[in-house]
Amino acid sequence: AQTVTQSQPEMSVQEAETVTLSCTYDTSESNYYLFWYKQPPSRQMILVIRQEAYKQQNATENRFSVNFQKAAKSFSLKISDSQLGDTAMYFCVIPGGYALNFGKGTSLLVTP
Amino acid sequence: DTAVSQTPKYLVTQMGNDKSIKCEQNLGHDTMYWYKQDSKKFLKIMFSYNNKELIINETVPNRFSPKSPDKAHLNLHINSLELGDSAVYFCASRTSGGAEETQYFGPGTRLLVL
Repeated sequence: AQTVTQSQPEMSVQEAETVTLSCTYDTSESNYYLFWYKQPPSRQMILVIRQEAYKQQNATENRFSVNFQKAAKSFSLKISDSQLGDTAMYFCVIPGGYALNFGKGTSLLVTP
Repeated sequence: DTAVSQTPKYLVTQMGNDKSIKCEQNLGHDTMYWYKQDSKKFLKIMFSYNNKELIINETVPNRFSPKSPDKAHLNLHINSLELGDSAVYFCASRTSGGAEETQYFGPGTRLLVL
């Protein structure tokens, strides 16, 4: 079974600073995807970034990048130049079986 | 041009009532899902459905039933609502058979059972 662990329930960062959210996972699959979704106060679930496990290169989407360590089963999210609009709950996600398995989330607060 | 839509966005009802939440996607996807997000923000799969197969999370009470009139819709019916059913319910969809596995979510329906 796939499991996802996010060890930081809450984090805060000042505007324009960089923050890294941690995630570890477990899977028996050899090829898989990993995702970070964000859920702002509006409640909408928004895809931030995805990584294919067979790709060595870390995914990047504008200010968002990941540090994917396959052997360590680690998948952290780095947010550069944090903005107030980045305030949200961030979920690390791995597909498993017939659906997505979500971590418990990290609540990120960006302060002025 | 909303990709995945849900109605209603808010639903307040009394214990014991029967209610439905509708979901529609215009992405041409053939697999749809219902997730439940509890008060601690934890998301858990309830159902996965495409035109061939319905997969039910065994922990979901049989008071919950998905109904799909066509590929673009997956509605959630809930009978005999209980206080513990209060949560946010998300519909999602993706293309099956592809490698991508990205799911696209609706805006959620906040259900409050009194």
